[in-house]
Amino acid sequence: GAGVSQSPRYKVTKRGQDVALRCDPISGHVSLYWYRQALGQGPEFLTYFNYEAQQDKSGLPNDRFSAERPEGSISTLTIQRTEQRDSAMYRCASSLGAEYEKLFFGSGTQLSVL
Amino acid sequence: DAKTTQPPSMDCAEGRAANLPCNHSTISGNEYVYWYRQIHSQGPQYIIHGLKNNETNEMASLIITEDRKSSTLILPHATLRDTAVYYCIVRSTEGGKLIFGQGTELSVKP
Repeated sequence: GAGVSQSPRYKVTKRGQDVALRCDPISGHVSLYWYRQALGQGPEFLTYFNYEAQQDKSGLPNDRFSAERPEGSISTLTIQRTEQRDSAMYRCASSLGAEYEKLFFGSGTQLSVL
Repeated sequence: DAKTTQPPSMDCAEGRAANLPCNHSTISGNEYVYWYRQIHSQGPQYIIHGLKNNETNEMASLIITEDRKSSTLILPHATLRDTAVYYCIVRSTEGGKLIFGQGTELSVKP
């Protein structure tokens, strides 16, 4: 596609349920990033991949959060046993991968945990 | 990654130049300065980046001081559509994550 695609656009879930958020990067982009953003705050880094390899997961808040990118393209961010504090906008970005390349962001998934 | 400091908010009159400052006094020699902006609820959008020379593109100009401890993003003729949060970020030349701070909320007024 022309841009980074994320689905679903909105996700409402009950506390304790697992959720999976999908990111489809721009075709040919090597690097893929996950961020989350609370209202009124800047994006908070979670993790990123080069191809299928997870390069940095230092931003994942705890072991309920995990991400994968098994074929080096589409990525899934999974949150297990969701809590109300997980409610936020989750954004994915991709880049060509070179060290100076700019990131292109998707529209995000708005997660609400009730 | 080096930390950046930006004013929380600024106003600018439509048609005038908007000059957004950023301090990054702990920047190291292998770190770029990047600027992104975020309009309302959209995803962040790349504006420009530089290492030590001044840079200009169709969106903005980036002026980096000689000691690289601060920089200024210049929007030469601000429009209402430039109202957004502007983030100044330093990032290793080796790539990797971008760390966003709180940014500067720029309001362009008629």
